[in-house]
Amino acid sequence: EIMMTQSPVTLSVSPGERATLSCRASQSVSSDLAWFQQKPGQAPRLLIYGASTRATAIPARFSGSGSGTEFTLTISSLQSEDFAVYYCQQYNNWPRTFGHGTKVEIK
Amino acid sequence: QLQLQESGPGLVKPSGTLSLTCTVSGGSVNTYNWSWIRQSPGKGLEWIGYIFYTGSTNHNPSLNSRVTISVDTSKNQLSLTLNSVTTADTAVYYCASLGGLWQLPDIWGQGTIVIVS
Repeated sequence: EIMMTQSPVTLSVSPGERATLSCRASQSVSSDLAWFQQKPGQAPRLLIYGASTRATAIPARFSGSGSGTEFTLTISSLQSEDFAVYYCQQYNNWPRTFGHGTKVEIK
Repeated sequence: QLQLQESGPGLVKPSGTLSLTCTVSGGSVNTYNWSWIRQSPGKGLEWIGYIFYTGSTNHNPSLNSRVTISVDTSKNQLSLTLNSVTTADTAVYYCASLGGLWQLPDIWGQGTIVIVS
């Protein structure tokens, strides 16, 4: 099973600032990496797939990069609705596995 | 617009069987691929398994074949059965449709909490 490690656990950012989240895989997953956003009391929402492709209706301020074992999610200018928990998930191998998340909170 | 709603007993006794259904509206259950994913404070988000519209299924090996995933086309529902539950199976359980080339969970239900106690 591929282990996904996310850092930091918590990221404190002011509205309008840039947020950079990291995700590392225990072995190469090529570009088979997705990012999800989850707000309290809600199900996760797909943001990014293929490491860098935004899902339908996802704003351009969200961008993803990386391949192999190192990945980054960048939110260029945080809006109030972006404060949430973000998870990476690999889909290169079964079982698909998630990281434990990065909470983006208001500074 | 596809909408999903999970339902089932919120409390299951240890060694018992967890049975959940996911009612699909806005689409036909036999024209999509589906997944079950759960979330617990201890293990985080975890894939349970999936079923394709062809009937092909797969489950997470960590669940040791305790899992059955099926669809009921007459009721337009997806089902999950998990046998021999322990407290480690306490979680919020989500059903989700799988979309796109890579079959990623794109439409989710709101989730249902199941406590094993």
